Amino acid sequence: AQSVTQLGSHVSVSEGALVLLRCNYSSSVPPYLFWYVQYPNQGLQLLLKYTTGATLVKGINGFEAEFKKSETSFHLTKPSAHMSDAAEYFCAVRVSGGYNKLIFGAGTRLAVHP
Amino acid sequence: KAGVTQTPRYLIKTRGQQVTLSCSPISGHRSVSWYQQTPGQGLQFLFEYFSETQRNKGNFPGRFSGRQFSNSRSEMNVSTLELGDSALYLCASSLGRGAQETQYFGPGTRLLVL
Repeated sequence: AQSVTQLGSHVSVSEGALVLLRCNYSSSVPPYLFWYVQYPNQGLQLLLKYTTGATLVKGINGFEAEFKKSETSFHLTKPSAHMSDAAEYFCAVRVSGGYNKLIFGAGTRLAVHP
Repeated sequence: KAGVTQTPRYLIKTRGQQVTLSCSPISGHRSVSWYQQTPGQGLQFLFEYFSETQRNKGNFPGRFSGRQFSNSRSEMNVSTLELGDSALYLCASSLGRGAQETQYFGPGTRLLVL
């Protein structure tokens, strides 16, 4: 069965610092991986996704993630945090043969302080 | 293009009642998926509808049901509400053509069961 583990339920960084949010997945087949962001009282917004091809994926708002099959990881990074990045971030894997069923990690709440 | 819309945005019910939530997908999208988000269980897949047929179902009791209409709008129904059903219910739409595609989420309906 596929699963997603996000290490660190809370991450705090200073404005301008590197953002690193960790995601490890478990999948017996090549996965489709996604990062979503959720701002308070809102739905989920796609940041980026990995399907096939290039392992370094660039998304919106300066975020990127690298698919590392050997480490079963898909960590999300941003070189310089902005106050507006404060939100909850979810890593998800698309279930193979499961059509549009997404399995989500528990989420990481990112705080950005001045 | 208008995004995914969900109505109502907020709802308060009492135990034992039933509730119906509505989701209007992005124009042209034929797949609608529903997710439940709670602090304790995180984001969990409820079910997916495609062309008026349920093609995937999560691990929820039969009190949770849904349907999809010919215009792709979808409703989910929860009967005999329990306190634990209090959650943010999110729907997501996509074209429904493949696992690589993006699911677009609505803002959610926040249900409070008293």
